[in-house]
Amino acid sequence: SQQGEEDPQALSIQEGENATMNCSYKTSINNLQWYRQNSGRGLVHLILIRSNEREKHSGRLRVTLDTSKKSSSLLITASRAADTASYFCATEWNDYKLSFGAGTTVTVRA
Amino acid sequence: GAVVSQHPSRVICKSGTSVKIECRSLDFQATTMFWYRQFPKKSLMLMATSNEGSKATYEQGVEKDKFLINHASLTLSTLTVTSAHPEDSSFYICSAPPVLLDAYLYGYTFGSGTRLTVV
Repeated sequence: SQQGEEDPQALSIQEGENATMNCSYKTSINNLQWYRQNSGRGLVHLILIRSNEREKHSGRLRVTLDTSKKSSSLLITASRAADTASYFCATEWNDYKLSFGAGTTVTVRA
Repeated sequence: GAVVSQHPSRVICKSGTSVKIECRSLDFQATTMFWYRQFPKKSLMLMATSNEGSKATYEQGVEKDKFLINHASLTLSTLTVTSAHPEDSSFYICSAPPVLLDAYLYGYTFGSGTRLTVV
């Protein structure tokens, strides 16, 4: 497996608070991607950060990448109940194959 | 945009029977499709890669005879779970790799998944 751990495994926050989750990986990468999965559904692509980028924003999402530590973080600001989902990081390896982290389950309480 | 349609979304079958899961690329041609398996509250594990016009390639530890993958056309890939047993119960998801459509590069596109329960 190309992928390491994600932490925390689960996160419960109040609506309006920020949620931060981290991902580590094992090998050199071209890019790192974050996905959201609602319960029992497929994955939705959130954001991609390239190996030469350190930070990227998309709406309420902020992703950082530290290639020296082989780690990335995803920050969701001003969380909403609709953000309740599992979040996965993924790295590409051979021929477009993706390797996924263990995922963080986020619960946003109203 | 690039859409992958996966059916059925849920299926319950008896032990010993076979179940076919279909993934169709609706508005683009997918020469490759990835098939993942996901256990409850776990990550996605790549099972195999289907390639139109050639044999599928399986990841280590995945039984080829148990999970038959066929890429019948440029818009259809199927996963058949043969002689299903309760331990095959899982969530199966297909995914197409990035595709250039109308000069826009779409990233990985995932089907909505199939919840298989074998009783």
